[in-house]
Amino acid sequence: DTAVSQTPKYLVTQMGNDKSIKCEQNLGHDTMYWYKQDSKKFLKIMFSYNNKELIINETVPNRFSPKSPDKAHLNLHINSLELGDSAVYFCASSQRWELFFGEGSRLTVL
Amino acid sequence: QKEVEQDPGPLSVPEGAIVSLNCTYSNSAFQYFMWYRQYSRKGPELLMYTYSSGNKEDGRFTAQVDKSSKYISLFIRDSQPSDSATYLCAGSISSGSARQLTFGSGTQLTVLP
Repeated sequence: DTAVSQTPKYLVTQMGNDKSIKCEQNLGHDTMYWYKQDSKKFLKIMFSYNNKELIINETVPNRFSPKSPDKAHLNLHINSLELGDSAVYFCASSQRWELFFGEGSRLTVL
Repeated sequence: QKEVEQDPGPLSVPEGAIVSLNCTYSNSAFQYFMWYRQYSRKGPELLMYTYSSGNKEDGRFTAQVDKSSKYISLFIRDSQPSDSATYLCAGSISSGSARQLTFGSGTQLTVLP
């Protein structure tokens, strides 16, 4: 059973389109995250939710909108995609200090 | 300047070598330090966790923190091809939450058979 699963694994799309990534965790954790990893492997936090409540919102364009329907799910919707949005997006969850990551969703914007 | 700096490599070593991976950090408030390992096309997973200065050993892996010089190290003894991955160091001011983790950019390691 996959602990943190995210779909889709790969997205290829044109500039200006809108896309969504879904994430689910079955670990019973209270906190979920979206991270962005660029081509140089730098991993940067974007958002964090605790029990469906947004608690971290880093400097991310408004085109990115997270949604947490319940504490086991955290989705990411991206509007008006730009070339610079190309990256791997990781969902993660934690109960205390350890992060559990999904396998990533590789987004390519053409 | 990033809060956690890491030499990106790539680093290639022969099987059986001792590997030293290093990070420096600038935030004096960091108390907790982690190493995550990320295999190709996978998410990072926690490898080692240490508190404050000192060493921690787990099998072939040793994590070392020197807070006076703001230096974090991971040593891998008897390296194996299965150790080939990207290693990310991270620092945090709090043990109670992963929300405040700051990652380095990772060092790509290849262990050649």
